[in-house]
Amino acid sequence: GAVVSQHPSWVICKSGTSVKIECRSLDFQATTMFWYRQFPKQSLMLMATSNEGSKATYEQGVEKDKFLINHASLTLSTLTVTSAHPEDSSFYICSASASKGPITQYFGPGTRLTVL
Amino acid sequence: AQSVAQPEDQVNVAEGNPLTVKCTYSVSGNPYLFWYVQYPNRGLQFLLKYITGDNLVKGSYGFEAEFNKSQTSFHLKKPSALVSDSALYFCAVRDGTGFQKLVFGTGTRLLVSP
Repeated sequence: GAVVSQHPSWVICKSGTSVKIECRSLDFQATTMFWYRQFPKQSLMLMATSNEGSKATYEQGVEKDKFLINHASLTLSTLTVTSAHPEDSSFYICSASASKGPITQYFGPGTRLTVL
Repeated sequence: AQSVAQPEDQVNVAEGNPLTVKCTYSVSGNPYLFWYVQYPNRGLQFLLKYITGDNLVKGSYGFEAEFNKSQTSFHLKKPSALVSDSALYFCAVRDGTGFQKLVFGTGTRLLVSP
């Protein structure tokens, strides 16, 4: 149980285009989902916290207009990187926390974004 | 503010030997502590957590961790390391409030040699 998927697993796009990454909780309902960014050989940096049906809460320094987060249902959250630039290239990881039961965050497999 | 320190960038151990990956934390109130493992180009896999109760927590793949309140530590341990345990290990903490934000350490790379 507690499986989180991400799609796509990797994406390459041209500078200036937008990219959408999906995060799904497959076997549990997640009222809260988290989006992280991980640079090579570094720890995870929390970008935003997403609660179903409400606006995401962004961490300091994260541009909410650039990284659009939508959490439309209890099993799906999306991160859209708008007008992507090479410096947005990174490994993006989502996690989900169940609405009931344990408070553990379960992580998706990550999405490698490369902006040319 | 809550924080986590993993003092070792890398830990080297021979297969079959016991391993320890260190973690210390700072948090106001009661800590919720977690260990995750990350394999190359993959997300994080949950290993174990401490919420309350017994200070020795057993988790997945034979790993365990000991919560020490006086030393504010939560070291990850395994009695006999496997080559397949080689990976990046993250310690994380959140406080006991309603908000679920996790703070991660910088990670420790474990290298188990045959």
